[in-house]
Amino acid sequence: EVQLVQSGAEVKQPGATVKISCRVSGYTFSDYQMHWVQQAPGKGLQWMGCVDPEDDETMYAEKFQDRVTITADMSTDTAYMELSSLRSEDTAVYYCATERCSAISCSFDFWGQGTLVTVSS
Amino acid sequence: QSALTQPPSVSGSPGQSVTISCTGTSSDVGYNYRVSWYQQPPGTAPKLLIFEVSNRPSGVPDRFSGSKSGNTASLTISGLQAEDEADYYCTSYTTNNHVLFGGGTKLTVL
Repeated sequence: EVQLVQSGAEVKQPGATVKISCRVSGYTFSDYQMHWVQQAPGKGLQWMGCVDPEDDETMYAEKFQDRVTITADMSTDTAYMELSSLRSEDTAVYYCATERCSAISCSFDFWGQGTLVTVSS
Repeated sequence: QSALTQPPSVSGSPGQSVTISCTGTSSDVGYNYRVSWYQQPPGTAPKLLIFEVSNRPSGVPDRFSGSKSGNTASLTISGLQAEDEADYYCTSYTTNNHVLFGGGTKLTVL
């Protein structure tokens, strides 16, 4: 059974940095890219970026490019998302999601349970 | 890049059918088959509903179907059930391999 288990809720002050983890089990970690998705309270889903655990290649959405770092640790089958210079608008639930691809398509087949990050002074 | 355009809400009675549209551009939805749909009941993580425009993962009822015409993808739910009440999101990859989500559609079963 595939499981993506994320770290617990965080409360951060404005200007701080948060790092969330996503530990994978049930498949070979290096086989699939890991993506991160933001969901602000009452809002929709927003793609942040992804990492390929096999070669550490990353891709980031323009909105987050200057503040986000996504990494993968193959020794522990864990992906990380670090967001810096936090502001109140970053208060959201953050999800990790495994991307699987066929010959012509890709989709987010498995999702973590989500991690709530609250930014407040 | 802008989010894909979905209607904010749709509704239907049990047993009826509803269709949710997802409009993009020739650089995303119209460009490839990497169009998917996700279901998110309140307070839960999204779940894959449709991949590759029209394919269902194992375990997803055949009441859910997807299609695409030009720059617009569609999700149709037939035989509506109370348990279908949720938010629905489309996604598409873009020409530069970024991912766009739709703004989301809230389905209310009357």
